[in-house]
Amino acid sequence: NAGVTQTPKFRVLKTGQSMTLLCAQDMNHEYMYWYRQDPGMGLRLIHYSVGEGTTAKGEVPDGYNVSRLKKQNFLLGLESAAPSQTSVYFCASSQNYGYTFGSGTRLTVV
Amino acid sequence: TQLLEQSPQFLSIQEGENLTVYCNSSSVFSSLQWYRQEPGEGPVLLVTVVTGGEVKKLKRLTFQFGDARKDSSLHITAAQPGDTGLYLCAGRQRGNSGYALNFGKGTSLLVTP
Repeated sequence: NAGVTQTPKFRVLKTGQSMTLLCAQDMNHEYMYWYRQDPGMGLRLIHYSVGEGTTAKGEVPDGYNVSRLKKQNFLLGLESAAPSQTSVYFCASSQNYGYTFGSGTRLTVV
Repeated sequence: TQLLEQSPQFLSIQEGENLTVYCNSSSVFSSLQWYRQEPGEGPVLLVTVVTGGEVKKLKRLTFQFGDARKDSSLHITAAQPGDTGLYLCAGRQRGNSGYALNFGKGTSLLVTP
């Protein structure tokens, strides 16, 4: 009964470092999404996927890359972290209208 | 430019009061959803409305989708401290692939005993 699992939950990076955020869902959902949530900005779509092997850009894709090699996993990569990427990152999955969200990854870039 | 405008941004009320939260846009949506988010957690889906004029009730919560499918409201009757949280509206525009949603900035609700 896990739903959407995000790892890690917290991370501190130095400017210029790279990292990958992992999202795993066990509901066999076709669609997966990465959002970032910042104070006063709401949730903004970074990238999304409409199926295994597909990815597409959202509203704020710059500085991020994604991959969906397996249907259940959606990876978000930061190649060279910047302080502007300090945020809470949420992964979500859906089969149609309703999203199931993970509990988030709080990332701080110093 | 924010596609979905929520009001008010913050709301602090006492237990037992009624409240309404609004979600407005100049764009038409094929569907609109409401989520509730608690600190340190991801948003949780409350309801999806897809038909203009639709009204849905979930216990003390009443959701309405505007006739023109550009706006929505969430009404809570007799609020309880357990209703405290961030309420987010999210809309899907026609043509959005993969059910991608645009979110409002949210209404932060505090209900005190």
